[in-house]
Amino acid sequence: EPEVTQTPSHQVTQMGQEVILRCVPISNHLYFYWYRQILGQKVEFLVSFYNNEISEKSEIFDDQFSVERPDGSNFTLKIRSTKLEDSAMYFCASLGFLGQGAGTSGRYPRNEQFFGPGTRLTVL
Amino acid sequence: GQQVMQIPQYQHVQEGEDFTTYCNSSTTLSNIQWYKQRPGGHPVFLIQLVKSGEVKKQKRLTFQFGEAKKNSSLHITATQTTDVGTYFCAGNYGGATNKLIFGTGTLLAVQP
Repeated sequence: EPEVTQTPSHQVTQMGQEVILRCVPISNHLYFYWYRQILGQKVEFLVSFYNNEISEKSEIFDDQFSVERPDGSNFTLKIRSTKLEDSAMYFCASLGFLGQGAGTSGRYPRNEQFFGPGTRLTVL
Repeated sequence: GQQVMQIPQYQHVQEGEDFTTYCNSSTTLSNIQWYKQRPGGHPVFLIQLVKSGEVKKQKRLTFQFGEAKKNSSLHITATQTTDVGTYFCAGNYGGATNKLIFGTGTLLAVQP
């Protein structure tokens, strides 16, 4: 079964350093997302990406964050100057097709997002 | 802003007992999804509810979507140790991106 992969699984960095988190979404998917989860807390939306551009971003996703799909398979999240509070699990997710209404069959499409295993970022 | 709350935060049950988690959105949802996250794992999709008042079942799991499309529940009948994990509802408010606003989650512990 196709799956989303993420590397590295764990990244330790010093405050102020740049980090790049990498994701390989499922190959025929069109919508890509980054979420983060601070230890013991809920999953928070960071950014969505479609058609080679950001389609929506949250308040968390400030100028220190950027995303890229450099080669048609990888999807990266860069944090330019990490802060202690950036320590969290970062999940990449992908979605194949986004449907809003019921089709001729009367069924709604399943807008399931497939999550990768995550990268644990520790900022010291 | 859009917020999704869940209760309880934590539930400890004996194996065989039932379990329910409730999800409430501050505003009307386009649809709601439920995810399960095992300890140390990543969220895994369980189901999507779209229609007002919808009820769906997956074996021992029953999902409901409220008439006003602002609340939802997940009920597990006769819990098993394999049900352990955190159950998140995730609200979708429509729009072009399908971004998910996750609830605060309910951690389920099942004692054998």
